[in-house]
Amino acid sequence: GAGVSQSPSNKVTEKGKDVELRCDPISGHTALYWYRQRLGQGLEFLIYFQGNSAPDKSGLPSDRFSAERTGESVSTLTIQRTQQEDSAVYLCASSVAAVDGGYTFGSGTRLTVV
Amino acid sequence: GENVEQHPSTLSVQEGDSAVIKCTYSDSASNYFPWYKQELGKRPQLIIDIRSNVGEKKDQRIAVTLNKTAKHFSLHITETQPEDSAVYFCAASTGGFKTIFGAGTRLFVKA
Repeated sequence: GAGVSQSPSNKVTEKGKDVELRCDPISGHTALYWYRQRLGQGLEFLIYFQGNSAPDKSGLPSDRFSAERTGESVSTLTIQRTQQEDSAVYLCASSVAAVDGGYTFGSGTRLTVV
Repeated sequence: GENVEQHPSTLSVQEGDSAVIKCTYSDSASNYFPWYKQELGKRPQLIIDIRSNVGEKKDQRIAVTLNKTAKHFSLHITETQPEDSAVYFCAASTGGFKTIFGAGTRLFVKA
C-alpha cells in the first residue's frame, strides 16, 4: 500500500479483556516495529521484526504483550488482560531494511482501557 | 543498551528566530541519527537524518550536526515559522536495529 496502515484507529476496551492491534506495512519493507506512546510522552520501543529472523522482543513491558508477523506482511500486537496503564497510542512503523533508513509510521491505534 | 537524552523538553521561540534541539546518546556504536516531527494528533514523520560518517547535513531551513567524539547531535531550525510548531524527536540506531528515541521537544513558534 501507499503507507503503513493500522487498525483499528481507536479501541476502547474493558479492563481484563484482550485486544489485538493490526499493522499492515508498506509493501517491500522488511523491517517492522511497534512503539507505544503514552499521552504527552515519547516513543517507547516494544518489538522489532526483520524478515524471517527472530524478533527483538526486548521492549515488551510484560508477558501480557505479544506480537506476531508472518514473513514480511501483516503484524498483530496482542495485549492480554488489559490494564488501565496500557492506555496509549500504539504506533507501528516499517522501513526498507533494518540496516539503514528512517521509518514510515502508521497513524496509530489509540487504546483506552476503562 | 542505548539511551538517548534530549533537551530542552519545551522550547518557545519568536517567529523568524532559530531553534536548536540537542541530543546525546550512550552507545558509541550508534551510526544513524534520524529526527522526526510529530504534529498534534498525527504520526511522527522523518524530517532529516544523518549518518556517522557525516558531520553536518542541511535541507533548506533545517540542519543537523553530529559530534561523534562527544556523542552529541543537534537539530537546527532557522527562520522559524508557526507551522514548525510540533514535537520533535531525535533518535539513535545501531546498525539499523531497534531505534531508540529521545523523550521529545515541544517547540512553540510564536507569531
